[in-house]
Amino acid sequence: DIQMTQSPSTLSASVGDRVTITCRASQSISSWLAWYQQKPGKAPKLLIYKASSLESGVPSRFSGSGSGTEFTLTISSLQPDDFATYYCQQYNSYSGLTFGGGTKVEIK
Amino acid sequence: EVQLVESGGGLVQPGRSLRLSCAASGFTFDDYAMHWVRQAPGKGLEWVSGISWNSGSIGYADSVKGRFTISRDNAKNSLYLQMNSLRAEDTALYYCAKDCGGDCYEEGAFDIWGQGTMVTVSS
Repeated sequence: DIQMTQSPSTLSASVGDRVTITCRASQSISSWLAWYQQKPGKAPKLLIYKASSLESGVPSRFSGSGSGTEFTLTISSLQPDDFATYYCQQYNSYSGLTFGGGTKVEIK
Repeated sequence: EVQLVESGGGLVQPGRSLRLSCAASGFTFDDYAMHWVRQAPGKGLEWVSGISWNSGSIGYADSVKGRFTISRDNAKNSLYLQMNSLRAEDTALYYCAKDCGGDCYEEGAFDIWGQGTMVTVSS
């Protein structure tokens, strides 16, 4: 299976900060990468698919980039509603879909 | 409103079986692949299994292969997960998730999630 490694595992930031989360794949996944946001006690929410395509209804301060094995999720100006845990997920191989370990964005 | 509602979770002893169900509404169920994703308490997300729109393609995580069976009934807009030989490490919140399909260029991303059903495996 393809392994997904996220960094950092925890990130402390302030409202208005620019935040970047990195996700690395153990082998090339082209652009088949999604990003999700999860808040405590809630189901995950799709933010980005195909590495850089913004899901409908997601604020434009969220953006994704990358291809191959290295990807980033950027929040251009962190808002109070953005404090959550973020997961990347590869969907290059249907028989073995895998998530990264998650990045918790905390209030500094 | 697009909705997924899971049921069937509970407390079960190691080695026993449990069947989860997911009722879908608000979209054309048989147009999309469907998946089960789980989350152990305080841990990250783990894809468990997925099934194509016509059940022609099925995949499982290595951790459940040979013990879990995914199925769907398009006439009932329902997804199922039969879990046999349960282990303590299967304890988790189990989410039903809709595949984004062609809306995300390719199958394998999840755009709609249920609220989950908790499975606890303990003696």
